[in-house]
Amino acid sequence: GAGVSQSPSNKVTEKGKDVELRCDPISGHTALYWYRQSLGQGLEFLIYFQGNSAPDKSGLPSDRFSAERTGGSVSTLTIQRTQQEDSAVYLCASSPGPNYGYTFGSGTRLTVV
Amino acid sequence: QKEVEQNSGPLSVPEGAIASLNCTYSDRVSQSFFWYRQYSGKSPELIMSIYSNGDKEDGRFTAQLNKASQYVSLLIRDSQPSDSATYLCAVNMDGGFKTIFGAGTRLFVKA
Repeated sequence: GAGVSQSPSNKVTEKGKDVELRCDPISGHTALYWYRQSLGQGLEFLIYFQGNSAPDKSGLPSDRFSAERTGGSVSTLTIQRTQQEDSAVYLCASSPGPNYGYTFGSGTRLTVV
Repeated sequence: QKEVEQNSGPLSVPEGAIASLNCTYSDRVSQSFFWYRQYSGKSPELIMSIYSNGDKEDGRFTAQLNKASQYVSLLIRDSQPSDSATYLCAVNMDGGFKTIFGAGTRLFVKA
């Protein structure tokens, strides 16, 4: 597609449930990133994937968070046993490679009740 | 802890004025610098990238970089109410693979 596609756009889940967030990057972009943005806050780095290299998971806030990227394209961010503090907008971005700017998707707004 | 610092604002300027947004960063070896614009409720949008010391102009936007002072700025000439948004400074670190974002400066352009 022409842009970065994220789904769902909104997700309301009960505390303790697992959720999966999906990101489809721009075709040909080798780098894919996940960020989190809480209300009124800045962007918090979570994880990035670059080609076939091992992902940098240094920003994941706890072991309840995991992500994978299949076939060098679509990525899924999974949050297990969701907590209320996980409520935020989860943004996915892709770029052609290092030192390029990002194209962001429209985000997934996650609300844990 | 590698950091990117911005004045949170809000910065308020009248329509037609020059808006000046500033950013400092901590990682001396950073090579790539970006400005993103984020409207309320929307995702960030890349508006400028700069890699070398000096000025880079694109329409009404000018990015300025001073690596010795670890300082990046964005000038918006002839500011319009549609420029009202949060502007995020972003710096690539760790060999270009990771971008650290500043918390953003809120800009209001008054008609």
